[in-house]
Amino acid sequence: EVQLVESGGGLVQPGGSLRLSCAASGFPFRDYWMHWVRQAPGKGLVWVSRISPDGSSTSYADSVKGRFTVSRDTAKNTAYLQITTLRAEDTAVYYCARDLTGNVLDLWGQGTLVTVSS
Amino acid sequence: EIVMTQSPATLSVSPGEGATLSCWASQSVSSNLAWYQQKPGQAPRFLIFGASTRATGIPARFSGSGSGTEFTLTISSLQSEDFAVYYCQQYNSWPFTFGQGTKLEIK
Repeated sequence: EVQLVESGGGLVQPGGSLRLSCAASGFPFRDYWMHWVRQAPGKGLVWVSRISPDGSSTSYADSVKGRFTVSRDTAKNTAYLQITTLRAEDTAVYYCARDLTGNVLDLWGQGTLVTVSS
Repeated sequence: EIVMTQSPATLSVSPGEGATLSCWASQSVSSNLAWYQQKPGQAPRFLIFGASTRATGIPARFSGSGSGTEFTLTISSLQSEDFAVYYCQQYNSWPFTFGQGTKLEIK
């Protein structure tokens, strides 16, 4: 089955860190750009980051630049989002998504919730 | 950053009727526009890219149009499963941005 499964979310204190994972299956993970998009409770979708198929190229939204790091392990068919120096406004469901072509997201995971609170 | 604006925020329509959702970009995105559907508690579902090309498996009652700064998603003969929130997204330039969404609700 073609799918993405995120994990690693949870409750974290302000200033803390987490590493989110996105496990891919059913398709050639090494051939695709991967993206992270987040959604605060009751709010809309916000692009966070993306990574090229070989991991050599990455991009970040200004709001997370310097605090978040995207990476991937082709051998494990998994993408990661390391999130640090967390703030209350980072509270959201984090989705990973596959890039069909040219930054169109055709396959989404179910999301993992990150809650930043003391 | 390109700002995407959707209208209306909420649209109330009866099943069987049609619905037209609008999306505007603060500057031209050419035809680099996608639409997604999201139901409560679920991930977004990819519907349309290139402003008008349906994704695999998307019913023909969904159609997209527009280019430049003005775009439309039209859903003909609404089915019960179509009531959801719809987002437009530009992928013409980074950071890629989404509209705030239009909630399509049952009248």
